[in-house]
Amino acid sequence: EVQLVESGGGLVQPGGSLRLSCVASGFRFSSYWMTWVRQAPGKGLEWVANIKIDGSEKYYGDSVKGRFTIGRDNAKNSLYLQLDSLTAEDTAVYYCATNRYYAFAMWGQGTKVTVSS
Amino acid sequence: IQVTQSPSTLSASVGDRVTITCRASQSISPYLAWYQQKPGKPPKLLIYKTSTLESGVPSRFSGSGSGTEFTLIINGLQPEDFATYYCQQYNSYSWTFGQGTKVEIK
Repeated sequence: EVQLVESGGGLVQPGGSLRLSCVASGFRFSSYWMTWVRQAPGKGLEWVANIKIDGSEKYYGDSVKGRFTIGRDNAKNSLYLQLDSLTAEDTAVYYCATNRYYAFAMWGQGTKVTVSS
Repeated sequence: IQVTQSPSTLSASVGDRVTITCRASQSISPYLAWYQQKPGKPPKLLIYKTSTLESGVPSRFSGSGSGTEFTLIINGLQPEDFATYYCQQYNSYSWTFGQGTKVEIK
């Protein structure tokens, strides 16, 4: 079964850090660019970051640039997102997704991040 | 590049033809995609590259457009189509979503 499973979300204080993971199964993970997208409560979708097949190129949305770091380990079929200097505005469900023809084809169920004191 | 989706809410009946528009602040590539999202679920890709239907998506969904204006049409709205729809554009290693259109039951 083709699947993406996110984990690592939770409650964190402002200024804190969190590391999200996304494990892929059922397809050749190493052949896809990968993406993180987030959705704040009751709000729309926001692209967060993309990473190339081999991890050599990374791109970030303006609101997270310099604070978030995307990474991958193709040997472990895993995608990561390191979240630093968190603020309340980072509270959201974070989704990982495959990137195909510059669209996001396959999505995980998401992991919830809450930033609050 | 700013992407403006309209309308933000749309009331329609089963069987209706529904049109959702996505306008960009400047001419964008043909890599425009459309997604459907239901409450508590991740988005589902419907259309990519402006008009290519994703595998398994019903043919009542179609996309068109170029330059700064793109549209999603649902021909013959079905009960399972009541959801929120998002457009998403790609340009120069930056991806942007529209604000979303909620399709409600009239």
